[in-house]
Amino acid sequence: QKEVEQNSGPLSVPEGAIASLNCTYSDRGSQSFFWYRQYSGKSPELIMFIYSNGDKEDGRFTAQLNKASQYVSLLIRDSQPSDSATYLCAVEGSGGSNYKLTFGKGTLLTVNP
Amino acid sequence: DAGVTQSPTHLIKTRGQHVTLRCSPISGHKSVSWYQQVLGQGPQFIFQYYEKEERGRGNFPDRFSARQFPNYSSELNVNALLLGDSALYLCASSLEGAGGSFSYEQYFGPGTRLTVT
Repeated sequence: QKEVEQNSGPLSVPEGAIASLNCTYSDRGSQSFFWYRQYSGKSPELIMFIYSNGDKEDGRFTAQLNKASQYVSLLIRDSQPSDSATYLCAVEGSGGSNYKLTFGKGTLLTVNP
Repeated sequence: DAGVTQSPTHLIKTRGQHVTLRCSPISGHKSVSWYQQVLGQGPQFIFQYYEKEERGRGNFPDRFSARQFPNYSSELNVNALLLGDSALYLCASSLEGAGGSFSYEQYFGPGTRLTVT
């Protein structure tokens, strides 16, 4: 059973701080990694994807991938109260299972004004 | 451009009944995936369809079935509903990805919240 692990939180940061969200995965063959944001009562919204080792930046968001350590993270700079949500890490299956995403349980982030 | 649409938004059924959920993908997307999300958990993969063929199936019983139509819209059917089927059912669409990757970036619809009583 391929797994994706996230700290469930809640993670609480003050407004303007950097929020760091972490994710580990068990499938060594996985090549594609995604971060989704989910507000309470809503569906997941894709905010970042990363395929190569290293960092990928998009505005206030930075995704970091280390395939050797099977670790992917999301940094949110200058956190805003509107960033308060559950962040889901998703990993694409490898080989014959590359059609599906396996999700972690999500990390609840609260940004305090 | 319209995103992924799903219908109905909410649904209440009783145990043993049958339900059909519908999804229309983003224009130009040929792949549709279905996920089940129970409270406090991440979405769990049910099916993926591409060009009207099933590309993959998750660990769900045969009571769950789906199909994709020529216009790439899709239906998810669940028979003999159980209380444990109560969840948010999510549809996601994606383009065919480079290198034969079918999941690529998946974009979710608003979901159908199913309550089984």
